[in-house]
Amino acid sequence: EVQLVDSGGGLIQPGGSLRLSCAASGFTVTSNYMSWVRQAPGKGLEWVSALYADGTAYYAGAVKGRFTISRDNSENTLYLEMNSLRSEDTAVYYCARVAGHLPFDYWGQGTLVTVSS
Amino acid sequence: DIQMTQSPSSLSASVGDRVTITCRASQDIRDNLGWYQQKPGKAPKRLIYAASTLQSGVPSRFSGSGSGTEFTLTISSLQPEDFATYYCLQHYSYPLTFGGGTRVEIK
Repeated sequence: EVQLVDSGGGLIQPGGSLRLSCAASGFTVTSNYMSWVRQAPGKGLEWVSALYADGTAYYAGAVKGRFTISRDNSENTLYLEMNSLRSEDTAVYYCARVAGHLPFDYWGQGTLVTVSS
Repeated sequence: DIQMTQSPSSLSASVGDRVTITCRASQDIRDNLGWYQQKPGKAPKRLIYAASTLQSGVPSRFSGSGSGTEFTLTISSLQPEDFATYYCLQHYSYPLTFGGGTRVEIK
């Protein structure tokens, strides 16, 4: 059974850093491409970043240069390293799987990041 | 960036009603579009991919159509469990972009 479990969220001050994790089971993160999607409180969905099997990464303009997507093959886990956090980064962050170049058939449960002093 | 304009932003409907939601892309995205349903406090769930292919396990009252720049999600007979927010997503090019969402409420 495919499962994604998001973790690592919390309260962080502006300018701080946080690393989110997405533990995968039932498939390997290296054989699919994976993404992060976020949702600010009361707002719509926003794509954040994607990581292809070959290591190619893409980022939304709002996070480029501040966020880094990566994976650990041995742990079968996807990560999102977030630096220079701003209040507008406050959101629930979901990891999601792309299968056969068709997003997103499976989603994590989400992890809340709150950027506030 | 490709803009996805979704309409309406909200609607009120009764059980049994036929509901139609539209997404317009700012440029041709062929059939690179999916539809998602989200209930409060939950992760989104994919309903339709490749514009018109029903996700396995999704009831047949949901259907998608369109290609190019105009896309439609139709619920043929609204059920109580369908009250939720719906989003379209284009994956023709990066950055991937979602429509603004349509909240379907009980009349």
